[in-house]
Amino acid sequence: GAVVSQHPSWVICKSGTSVKIECRSLDFQATTMFWYRQFPKQSLMLMATSNEGSKATYEQGVEKDKFLINHASLTLSTLTVTSAHPEDSSFYICSARDRRGLGYTFGSGTRLTVV
Amino acid sequence: AQSVTQLDSHVSVSEGTPVLLRCNYSSSYSPSLFWYVQHPNKGLQLLLKYTSAATLVKGINGFEAEFKKSETSFHLTKPSAHMSDAAEYFCVVSPSSNTGKLIFGQGTTLQVKP
Repeated sequence: GAVVSQHPSWVICKSGTSVKIECRSLDFQATTMFWYRQFPKQSLMLMATSNEGSKATYEQGVEKDKFLINHASLTLSTLTVTSAHPEDSSFYICSARDRRGLGYTFGSGTRLTVV
Repeated sequence: AQSVTQLDSHVSVSEGTPVLLRCNYSSSYSPSLFWYVQHPNKGLQLLLKYTSAATLVKGINGFEAEFKKSETSFHLTKPSAHMSDAAEYFCVVSPSSNTGKLIFGQGTTLQVKP
């Protein structure tokens, strides 16, 4: 079945540094990838939609200069949290949409802790 | 506008008893509907999906859901709960538009007691 690899699974970084999270579709091509943020005991909040070869579309209230998204190929999207602060600590999950329209596959998530 | 409501934030059952997780949706068009499960600090795993074929959808791990258009519901059921079913469950709707955005319910925490 479709597999999405997301890493790192967890990362601890210092305030002011940047962190990059990768999301790869291993056995299918994904024209669209989605990045979500999840707070404890809450549902997923869509941050942005990433289309291969074009700029990401950010949801209202999400700072595009802080959360940089790159979707350089049909199998890779990256989310970079720039100048991280403790309030950016969260669980980040990516999802890839199969270009054949077969559905959505989620990554295993990344737990980011900013100290 | 599309929306999805999970009617219970927390459900507790005993092992071996039936599970019912309720979900209602609102959609102007015929949507695709999904149920996902999330274990702690993990991503989401697809349990089942409805895409306008059979209204009774069978998924993995013994779960199934029935699409009822007249009630705008898509409740998730399982005849007999296992301890390993304890997790967070999300009902999700995919609108008919081409944006591909998924709309998530708030989630239901399923507790399974021995």
